[in-house]
Amino acid sequence: GAGVSQSPRYKVTKRGQDVALRCDPISGHVSLYWYRQALGQGPEFLTYFNYEAQQDKSGLPNDRFSAERPEGSISTLTIQRTEQRDSAMYRCASSKFGATDTQYFGPGTRLTVL
Amino acid sequence: KNEVEQSPQNLTAQEGEFITINCSYSVGISALHWLQQHPGGGIVSLFMLSSGKKKHGRLIATINIQEKHSSLHITASHPRDSAVYICAVHPQVQAAGNKLTFGGGTRVLVKP
Repeated sequence: GAGVSQSPRYKVTKRGQDVALRCDPISGHVSLYWYRQALGQGPEFLTYFNYEAQQDKSGLPNDRFSAERPEGSISTLTIQRTEQRDSAMYRCASSKFGATDTQYFGPGTRLTVL
Repeated sequence: KNEVEQSPQNLTAQEGEFITINCSYSVGISALHWLQQHPGGGIVSLFMLSSGKKKHGRLIATINIQEKHSSLHITASHPRDSAVYICAVHPQVQAAGNKLTFGGGTRVLVKP
């Protein structure tokens, strides 16, 4: 596709449910990043992949959060047993290779946990 | 203290005015990014620089590596420039891997 796409764009769920957020990066981009952005704040790093390998997951808040990119393209961020504090905008970005290349951001998934 | 600090946090300008946004960081970096977040929420990369100056249209970004400081300038500002501008750095230390550290953003409003 022409850009990074994410789905769903909006997700409302009840506390305790699991959610899966999808990111489809720009074709051919090696690096894929997940960020979380609270209202009125800058993005916060969660995790990133080069190809299918998860290079850094130090930003994941706790073990309820996980991410995968099994074939080096589409990635899924999964949040288990959601809590209200998980409500935020979750953004995905991709770059040709690494953080010294321009990152292209997806539109984000707005997650609301009731 | 955050690794990346932006100033001002908010800025209001009249159309046509020259705008400057500042970004200071406390670590050695290999690259600095300026991003624009539109009112609708989308994020666009404006510049990536590691030295000197870059220009694109009415936007100019400069960086001083020794002083650990970067500025984003908007010349002849227009209401469509209203957005949040975010500075992000790629720390030089190996432990940083490929992750960016973001500033809190500067909210710019340009009035007609």
